[in-house]
Order: sequence, then structure tokens, then C-alpha cells
Amino acid sequence: QKEVEQNSGPLSVPEGAIASLNCTYSDRGSQSFFWYRQYSGKSPELIMSIYSNGDKEDGRFTAQLNKASQYVSLLIRDSQPSDSATYLCAVTLNPHGQNFVFGPGTRLSVLP
Amino acid sequence: SAVISQKPSRDICQRGTSLTIQCQVDSQVTMMFWYRQQPGQSLTLIATANQGSEATYESGFVIDKFPISRPNLTFSTLTVSNMSPEDSSIYLCSVNYLETQYFGPGTRLLVL
Repeated sequence: QKEVEQNSGPLSVPEGAIASLNCTYSDRGSQSFFWYRQYSGKSPELIMSIYSNGDKEDGRFTAQLNKASQYVSLLIRDSQPSDSATYLCAVTLNPHGQNFVFGPGTRLSVLP
Repeated sequence: SAVISQKPSRDICQRGTSLTIQCQVDSQVTMMFWYRQQPGQSLTLIATANQGSEATYESGFVIDKFPISRPNLTFSTLTVSNMSPEDSSIYLCSVNYLETQYFGPGTRLLVL
């Protein structure tokens, strides 16, 4: 059973702080890792993808992957109220679309 | 990125009826995916639709309940048959384009 777990929310952080979102996965063969943001009533939108161990930065977002620990995280620096959303971690064995497994999501609330 | 549109965006249906959801993508893709997202839940894959062959259904989903068509490389339909209130959900069309999963805006279905 392939599983993806995320830290339970809701997570509340003050504006300007760093928000840390965590995800663990069970299948050691997983190759590709994604973070999606989903605003209430909207469809998920891709924020970051990461394939290799280490950090990947894009603006205020940093994804961290540790395959040995089966752990992937997303850091949001200088959090803004507009970052308030549900963040979904997704993992796949196959980057071509098959077998994407989504975590339950973590709801983030950034307080002004 | 791939741009995906869905119709209808939302509908309210009576128990026992059927609804067909259309999905159009602006690029030719081999596989199209249909997901369900129940209130407050993460994404669950219903089936994978390949052009020219029968869809592949995930455990817990059957063709009689969720028939799928895939007449060409840019279009697919999902029918929710003999609906019950438990089918109330958001249905999302998704494609994998350049190794990234993109989602349509979703169809919000309420079954009374």
C-alpha cells in the first residue's frame, strides 16, 4: 500500500514567518516529488517539483528531499496571508503521470 | 504548461440520474486522468484514460458507475451514473505534460 503522509494541520504562522510543511512516503522506489497548493474551491496548482536529494529553491519556496529518510518538505519564507491554502504533497514512481499518490494535505493559515 | 477546461463547472442533480463531465486540454496527451476530491479530503484517482483503449480503473471504482470516453488525444468524458448523495464531490480532470501533473478547474457535483 503506497502511502503519503503529511503533518496534520491546520498550521498557523504569523505573517513574515517561515512555514514548514512536512511529508513522508512509504514507497522507497518513489522517483518524483511534488508540492501543490490548493485554495479553497479551486483546483491544485503546482508549486515545486524535486527529484534529487537536497534543496531546491524557487523564490520564497524551498523544497527539501531526503530519500534515505523518505522525507520531503516545503519551506515558505516570509509567509504572506495569500499563502493561506491547503498544501498537497504528491509522490510518484513514474514521472509520466501514472501512480501519483497524494497526501491528505496540510492547511496553512498565515495570520496578518 | 497544459491548459485544461472542464464542463460543467458545477451541477446539482437528482438521485438516480447521470451526469457527463467533459474535459478538454490544449495539447495532445497520451493519458488523461480523472480524480475525485470529496469535501475536506485529498485527491483520489478514479481512472486513467488512454486514447483508443479502455480506461484503467483504480480499486473501488468500476466502469458501470464511472464510464469514460477518450475519443482523441485532447478530450475525455467521465460519466457519473445512477448518482446518489455519496457521489457529491469535486471531479477533476488531469493530464501529465512534460512530467508534471496539471489539473482542470474541477466540476462541483451536488446530488440531492
